Amino acid sequence: RKEVEQDPGPFNVPEGATVAFNCTYSNSASQSFFWYRQDCRKEPKLLMSVYSSGNEDGRFTAQLNRASQYISLLIRDSKLSDSATYLCVVIPSGGYNKLIFGAGTRLAVHP
Amino acid sequence: DAMVIQNPRYQVTQFGKPVTLSCSQTLNHNVMYWYQQKSSQAPKLLFHYYDKDFNNEADTPDNFQSRRPNTSFCFLDIRSPGLGDAAMYLCATSRDRGEVGYGYTFGSGTRLTVV
Repeated sequence: RKEVEQDPGPFNVPEGATVAFNCTYSNSASQSFFWYRQDCRKEPKLLMSVYSSGNEDGRFTAQLNRASQYISLLIRDSKLSDSATYLCVVIPSGGYNKLIFGAGTRLAVHP
Repeated sequence: DAMVIQNPRYQVTQFGKPVTLSCSQTLNHNVMYWYQQKSSQAPKLLFHYYDKDFNNEADTPDNFQSRRPNTSFCFLDIRSPGLGDAAMYLCATSRDRGEVGYGYTFGSGTRLTVV
């Protein structure tokens, strides 16, 4: 079983739509969680951290459910510029803080 | 200004011919990482340097080596590239190993093609 699993998509949505991505992780002792965005042939960039209490940054909302080992990202009012791959990232417990990436969910927003 | 610089952006190498990818940073970060990302796959950590300490991931093939001659530079050496080594290679830095995800800075990557 992969440490971090995501639905690969693609999700094809019209502008203005609300879209949700899910991610599950296998290590119950994982300590930190993030969403990264990766544009085609570019490096990953941090989108937002994910907290148990949930957090929001403009049109983006991230949630963590530790009991179910599940992370979500909600994007409201999708823009064309949101088209990218969204990577779920987990830092496992113990040792140094290395990033464990999911394979990503591809989002395509169309006019 | 780019703070983690990878050269070259695109590299074509012959099957079996040694190749070196480079990464430099202006952040004075202690930790430098090398990730491999194959098409439509997750970036996978190959190894990292904590200062001068080299830390290999258990499943990184022996074909991959790394050097860090000073704080600013880190190199990825592929001794005998195979077709399966074609990928984007990402260099990242963090100030310390205690940094959480927001403390990572990625370079733009080097896309390696093996012919």
